Amino acid sequence: DAMVIQNPRYQVTQFGKPVTLSCSQTLNHNVMYWYQQKSSQAPKLLFHYYDKDFNNEADTPDNFQSRRPNTSFCFLDIRSPGLGDAAMYLCATSRGGGGGGEKLFFGSGTQLSVL
Amino acid sequence: AQSVTQLDSQVPVFEEAPVELRCNYSSSVSVYLFWYVQYPNQGLQLLLKYLSGSTLVESINGFEAEFNKSQTSFHLRKPSVHISDTAEYFCAVSSYNFNKFYFGSGTKLNVKP
Repeated sequence: DAMVIQNPRYQVTQFGKPVTLSCSQTLNHNVMYWYQQKSSQAPKLLFHYYDKDFNNEADTPDNFQSRRPNTSFCFLDIRSPGLGDAAMYLCATSRGGGGGGEKLFFGSGTQLSVL
Repeated sequence: AQSVTQLDSQVPVFEEAPVELRCNYSSSVSVYLFWYVQYPNQGLQLLLKYLSGSTLVESINGFEAEFNKSQTSFHLRKPSVHISDTAEYFCAVSSYNFNKFYFGSGTKLNVKP
């Protein structure tokens, strides 16, 4: 089945040690998103790619970076994780071209712990 | 910019009872509205959406939501819930021309037998 896959499901890192979360999709969608979700809070949009065009949210910390080497893969890099970066990270895709009316397809998320 | 408020973090309800999950949004432009559902250990899935036309939209499993522009609300309702409806429900908003979606903090629906 076509889907959005996030690996790993659980990731543990140390304070200040760079970490990379990965997302892949078999839907051939143009748009890929990264959301951060802390407990009992709304998923917060960090950034998204429309094809190769990177769109950063104004309040996304510089500590968070992203790469999209091809249509299928998108990575979230946290350069120096702090305790406050512990959260669930959600990857989502949409087809693109339909503006804000499109359906999002989500992966199951990666739960990041920072020790 | 848009924002979404879901005032109820948890809603306990007995099976076969009606339920309403509240969602209010804020936006300076016209919007699209969505409800997503997240079952345990799964990703968010689209439940229903309002783009235009009839202000009442329905899902295939009996949920409905009504867009109320004057009250800036998009409440989700079901006349009779089942145990299988136990999940977390997220309201979301986007604007016409931008591929950006903003979510509320979610409401956990707990259906009891």
